[in-house]
Amino acid sequence: SQQGEEDPQALSIQEGENATMNCSYKTSINNLQWYRQNSGRGLVHLILIRSNEREKHSGRLRVTLDTSKKSSSLLITASRAADTASYFCATDKWAQKLVFGQGTRLTINP
Amino acid sequence: ETGVTQSPTHLIKTRGQQVTLRCSSQSGHNTVSWYQQALGQGPQFIFQYYREEENGRGNFPPRFSGLQFPNYSSELNVNALELDDSALYLCASSLVGGWGGINTEAFFGQGTRLTVV
Repeated sequence: SQQGEEDPQALSIQEGENATMNCSYKTSINNLQWYRQNSGRGLVHLILIRSNEREKHSGRLRVTLDTSKKSSSLLITASRAADTASYFCATDKWAQKLVFGQGTRLTINP
Repeated sequence: ETGVTQSPTHLIKTRGQQVTLRCSSQSGHNTVSWYQQALGQGPQFIFQYYREEENGRGNFPPRFSGLQFPNYSSELNVNALELDDSALYLCASSLVGGWGGINTEAFFGQGTRLTVV
């Protein structure tokens, strides 16, 4: 069963705009990770945030984690056409047994 | 490029047949996990192998089985294939320390697209 839920399920924005995706989960976690998937291929790891961290940055990506609300957000700034993909959050409690949400389909329009 | 490779990339099988999918993990990683991703869904955890032993299993029947070899590569075997087994099968490798205390990110391969007809 899915632990997390991403919101929105689909997002369409113009190139150069910022994209924000949210993830909620149900049980306590050790880590939360965000992945990107292009056209049903493999998952590309974007960022890992541990339960004792509140915010992490990687290039144009910013991830926040609020364990009291059991939620996380992924912000992509200055979006590009190449950012078009599905984005998944995945939680794990121990040893990388990941539980994924349903994903957000992001479309960047030129 | 994650260093995790899966083979084959695509496969078509007939209902009732058996299939073996392969995964070679990233150098230095000791754990391989397998996931099933149906179309339009998020990946679902099948099972994990840690140091050649099964280390946790998701809600999948026993006809899904696996192996991990001394070089940490892995196989996923599915017997008596059903139409609903059609999916993208993903493996992920990671480094897990003793007591689960040191966990790296999980890196995924490109997946095997299995179609059961």
